[in-house]
Amino acid sequence: DAGVIQSPRHEVTEMGQEVTLRCKPISGHNSLFWYRQTMMRGLELLIYFNNNVPIDDSGMPEDRFSAKMPNASFSTLKIQPSEPRDSAVYFCASSLMFDRGRTDTQYFGPGTRLTVL
Amino acid sequence: GQQVMQIPQYQHVQEGEDFTTYCNSSTTLSNIQWYKQRPGGHPVFLIQLVKSGEVKKQKRLTFQFGEAKKNSSLHITATQTTDVGTYFCAGHAGKSTFGDGTTLTVKP
Repeated sequence: DAGVIQSPRHEVTEMGQEVTLRCKPISGHNSLFWYRQTMMRGLELLIYFNNNVPIDDSGMPEDRFSAKMPNASFSTLKIQPSEPRDSAVYFCASSLMFDRGRTDTQYFGPGTRLTVL
Repeated sequence: GQQVMQIPQYQHVQEGEDFTTYCNSSTTLSNIQWYKQRPGGHPVFLIQLVKSGEVKKQKRLTFQFGEAKKNSSLHITATQTTDVGTYFCAGHAGKSTFGDGTTLTVKP
């Protein structure tokens, strides 16, 4: 199994530009999570999907951030327009099962290191 | 909302010494998970605790879940240089909330 795949691994862009991060979850997993990690704020859950449906997006910082999951094997996190304070490592994770009652292991991708100049 | 506090933030030990990190939740949890993140890497699942008072062991690592299911600990016996990294707990109560992590450095 290839694990969770994220692309790109590194992204450097200028303020105001649109950034799209991509994630391919582990085949068969029905839950997908987007996290942001910074030294100041630690690991933050931005949004998670269950069966391709967004369940909780309360962690999304503001309207500049949007996430989609058009099918079970692909998700995107878009930032438009990007700002220097968005610089962070963005992780995608997937899980076999996730609901209010129980959780399964979350498998993290390698992350995308985003730098906004 | 749900808060998960983790202490200490940093721990520096001499190789061979023991290490413990503690996790406390503001709400009762249905389960708690522990992850390890090596420098420059991504979080990797270590274990999940579900039952009140549960204790699990993985070689030199001992994980405990409190009776009230609001706190947990990870204890490493006789640390090795390979134990370096940041250890996160993630408490689940409707949604998963990660603690801020404890970063362990081990001096050979």
